[in-house]
Amino acid sequence: DAKTTQPPSMDCAEGRAANLPCNHSTISGNEYVYWYRQIHSQGPQYIIHGLKNNETNEMASLIITEDRKSSTLILPHATLRDTAVYYCIVRVWGETSGSRLTFGEGTQLTVNP
Amino acid sequence: DAGVIQSPRHEVTEMGQEVTLRCKPISGHDYLFWYRQTMMRGLELLIYFNNNVPIDDSGMPEDRFSAKMPNASFSTLKIQPSEPRDSAVYFCASSLTETQYFGPGTRLLVL
Repeated sequence: DAKTTQPPSMDCAEGRAANLPCNHSTISGNEYVYWYRQIHSQGPQYIIHGLKNNETNEMASLIITEDRKSSTLILPHATLRDTAVYYCIVRVWGETSGSRLTFGEGTQLTVNP
Repeated sequence: DAGVIQSPRHEVTEMGQEVTLRCKPISGHDYLFWYRQTMMRGLELLIYFNNNVPIDDSGMPEDRFSAKMPNASFSTLKIQPSEPRDSAVYFCASSLTETQYFGPGTRLLVL
C-alpha cells in the first residue's frame, strides 16, 4: 500500500470549512483513497473514500487531484464535534488483500469556538 | 444494528494473568479485524479473519497472543501471560465491503 503524508495538526474555526490535505505521490492505479477519523477515546470512524473522481456524502467531500498524487478532505461547516484525528489511507481492495487498513500518524484537527 | 460490540470495555489485571477480549461483529459482515492502539506505535493491525478463517496474523506480536473466531458472530483475543507492555486499547472492527466499522475498544491495563 502507498504511503501517505499528512500535516500533524490543523486548526479551524467553528462554522468554517476544514480542508485536510494528504499527499500520496506513490499511489498505484488500483489504490483507493480512504479517510477515517478518530474522536478521542472512540474507535475510528469511516468518512469517505474514492478512486479518482471527487466524492461527496453527508459527512464530507473528497477532492482527488487529476494525477491522484494528493487529495483533500473537506468538512464544509466544521463543528466542535469534528475535533478528531483524521487518517488518510491508501490501499487496494481485492480478494487477496482483504480490506487491510494501515493507519499512519494522521492529522489532529482542532475546531475552535 | 447495534454496531460492533466489545467486552469488557475496561480491564485491569496483573502481570502474568490471562486476559480475554471479546468481540461481536455486525451481523452479516464476513471480515473481522483486531487492532491495538498505543501512544508509541499508534493504531496497528494484529490479525484479521475472513469467513471465520484467520487470513493474516503477521501483526500478532508474539506467541502470548492468540485469536479465534469460532463462528460468524463471535471472536476472542487472548493474551497469556499478560505483560505491562500489553497495556493498550484494543479495537475490533468488521466489514462486508470496503468500509470497516470499529467497536468502542477495550482499554487494557496490565500492572
